[in-house]
Amino acid sequence: KAGVTQTPRYLIKTRGQQVTLSCSPISGHRSVSWYQQTPGQGLQFLFEYFSETQRNKGNFPGRFSGRQFSNSRSEMNVSTLELGDSALYLCASSSRGDSSYEQYFGPGTRLTVT
Amino acid sequence: AQRVTQPEKLLSVFKGAPVELKCNYSYSGSPELFWYVQYSRQRLQLLLRHISRESIKGFTADLNKGETSFHLKKPFAQEEDSAMYYCALRNNAGNMLTFGGGTRLMVKP
Repeated sequence: KAGVTQTPRYLIKTRGQQVTLSCSPISGHRSVSWYQQTPGQGLQFLFEYFSETQRNKGNFPGRFSGRQFSNSRSEMNVSTLELGDSALYLCASSSRGDSSYEQYFGPGTRLTVT
Repeated sequence: AQRVTQPEKLLSVFKGAPVELKCNYSYSGSPELFWYVQYSRQRLQLLLRHISRESIKGFTADLNKGETSFHLKKPFAQEEDSAMYYCALRNNAGNMLTFGGGTRLMVKP
């Protein structure tokens, strides 16, 4: 079974631009979560989608948004990029919405904002 | 608010020595706790969860609600255990995980 895939793997953007990152979960998984990883703040939860509905949201500004499609693929968007948005963005998928089912992480998208 | 603390950023031990990676948490409800591991150039992956009470790769972790801790232990460290270890807590509404800052374990030959 193919693992979680994320595209693109690397991205360089300029301050003020916007960016869209994509996550394809493992086939059959309905829950997708997004995390931001930085050296200073570590791994921080952004949001979770389950069956196309946002179920949880972390403490990030409204510039960060996401969505999930009917095939469970998910995208996250960051508008008006700031230097501090430079990070590794991870997504994780799970077959269901509770902890009985393991979350599988993707390789991440490395975003650099200049 | 929930919080996970891993007090050691780096833990260095010799092969064959016992290992204990510390994790403390604060959470008002009944916690679900996990240990995740990231080996060099690999993805973050689940190592073990407290509800299953299992031993994976020789590692065990016991939830101590009195001390609000979930320390990861292994009696004899191996070089292949060198990795980044993250303790995480799940809230009761979905798959939101709160991670600790991580501990880098280095096992020297």
